[in-house]
Amino acid sequence: KAGVTQTPRYLIKTRGQQVTLSCSPISGHRSVSWYQQTPGQGLQFLFEYFSETQRNKGNFPGRFSGRQFSNSRSEMNVSTLELGDSALYLCASSSDRGWADTQYFGPGTRLTVL
Amino acid sequence: AQSVTQLDSHVSVSEGTPVLLRCNYSSSYSPSLFWYVQHPNKGLQLLLKYTSAATLVKGINGFEAEFKKSETSFHLTKPSAHMSDAAEYFCVVSRTGSARQLTFGSGTQLTVLP
Repeated sequence: KAGVTQTPRYLIKTRGQQVTLSCSPISGHRSVSWYQQTPGQGLQFLFEYFSETQRNKGNFPGRFSGRQFSNSRSEMNVSTLELGDSALYLCASSSDRGWADTQYFGPGTRLTVL
Repeated sequence: AQSVTQLDSHVSVSEGTPVLLRCNYSSSYSPSLFWYVQHPNKGLQLLLKYTSAATLVKGINGFEAEFKKSETSFHLTKPSAHMSDAAEYFCVVSRTGSARQLTFGSGTQLTVLP
């Protein structure tokens, strides 16, 4: 089975711009979660989508949003970029078969905001 | 609420010697616990997970962890370190029934000396 894929792998943007990141989960997985990783804050949960609905949300401003399509692929969008948004954004998918589910992570998208 | 504390930000060992990475958790519910590893510029790979079936959990690449409820600990061990083990390791907790929202520790950077 192919793993979680994320595109693009690297992005450079300037302050004030917006960006869209894409995630394709493992085939058959319906849950997709997003995480932000920075040296200062570590790994933080952004949100989780299941069957095209946001099911959980972390403590991030409304500039961070996402969506999920009927094929379970997910996108996250960051509007009005700030320097502090520079981070590795990781996507993870799971089969959502129960509470002991494992999340499988993609390689991440490295976003640099100048 | 749930949280994870990784007691060492950096650990150095010599190749062929044992590895011990320490993790304490706090959870109001019965937790699921995970160890993930991240190699440079890569995503997160699952090493092992605890889901209450057995307190001693064996993972990939010779790693194992023991769940000790009385000590609220979930330390990661390996009998003999290999150069390829050099990476960052994350202890992760999720609340039973909500496995899709993970709370990460701050990470332990493992260095393996020749």
